[in-house]
Parts: sequence; C-alpha cells; structure tokens
Amino acid sequence: GAVVSQHPSRVICKSGTSVKIECRSLDFQATTMFWYRQFPKQSLMLMATSNEGSKATYEQGVEKDKFLINHASLTLSTLTVTSAHPEDSSFYICSAREGQVVETQYFGPGTRLLVL
Amino acid sequence: AQSVTQLGSHVSVSEGALVLLRCNYSSSVPPYLFWYVQYPNQGLQLLLKYTTGATLVKGINGFEAEFKKSETSFHLTKPSAHMSDAAEYFCAVSSFSGGYNKLIFGAGTRLAVHP
Repeated sequence: GAVVSQHPSRVICKSGTSVKIECRSLDFQATTMFWYRQFPKQSLMLMATSNEGSKATYEQGVEKDKFLINHASLTLSTLTVTSAHPEDSSFYICSAREGQVVETQYFGPGTRLLVL
Repeated sequence: AQSVTQLGSHVSVSEGALVLLRCNYSSSVPPYLFWYVQYPNQGLQLLLKYTTGATLVKGINGFEAEFKKSETSFHLTKPSAHMSDAAEYFCAVSSFSGGYNKLIFGAGTRLAVHP
C-alpha cells in the first residue's frame, strides 16, 4: 500500500529556533498534501493544504508566517516552524493524497516537537 | 459546517467481547464518513468509509459501521475483540471548503483490550 514517511519522528529544540519537518510519499505522487496538528487527547486539526507547485492554503487561525509550508515536488512537502516557542510543542502529522477523491489520504507516522 | 463527536475517549473491553465505538456527526450536506485506526508510532490507516449506497459498511480486520441518518451516527463495531485491536480510533467526516476536500476528525477513542 501507499506509504508516507515523516522525518524526524521526534525533535527537541530551543525556543527561538526553527524546525523543519519533512513529509514524503514513497511510492506514489501526491498532488495534495495536508498538515495536521494534534494536541494530547484532542482531534487532529488541519493546519494547511498544499498542492505541488503552488502556495499552501491555511486554515483560519493558522499563522502562515509561523508555519511555512513548501510542496516543491510531487513526493515532498516540508513544514517549517519558525521561531518556535513552547506553545508550538505538539504532534504534527502529514497526509498525502494521490488524486481528488477525498478518502485516498495516506498518513505519515507523525513528528513529536518539543520546544524548550 | 461539519463536525464529529466521539463519545468516550477510552473504551476497555475483554478479549472476545463486542467492540462498540461511538461516533456522531453534524453535516449540512450528505456526509462522507470514515473510521481510521492509529497504532502506536504509526500513521492513520483507513478502516472503512461510507459514501453512498449500503448503510452497513464492512472494513478491514472484521470491523463494520452503520450509517444512521436519523440518528446522525456512524458507530464502529466488531463482534469479537482481539488483543491486536488495541489502538486509537478516529471518526472523520469529509468537508468541501475553500475549494478543497478536507477531513474533519473526532477527538479519538483509545481502545484497550484485556485478556
């Protein structure tokens, strides 16, 4: 089946630094990728949707200058948390969709970010 | 706007017992509904989905769910729990907004299976 990887799986950084998370579709071309954030005991909250070669569409309340998303190829999207602060600590999950059918989203294993 | 409510953040059953995970949705249009499972340190995996047609949907690993429009529910069941079913389960509804199809997730239910 389709596989999506994320790297790193876990990252600890100091407040004020930037962190980049990669999301890769390993065996298919992802026309659309999604970035979610998950707080403990809460839902996955969609942060942004990105299509290859175009700007990401951010959900209401998500700071686009804070969470930079790049979808430069059909197999790679990156999320950069800029000037990270402790409140940015969370579990970040990406998913990739091959076509336009909503249910064909394949999820990555997630990245645990801890900002000290 | 679409939304999903999962009743019970934790459910514990004995091995061999019935599994029932509850999901209620809110949608202004006919919904597409999904159940995903997440095992520790892994991505979400699609268990089953309802789009149109038969309201009883069968998925992988012996799970099934029934779409009940009158109750706005899409509960997940399995007749006999197995130890390997212990995981986090998410119910989701599709939403078309801003030109994109998106998934709106419930908070999740952690299923524990004990011997």
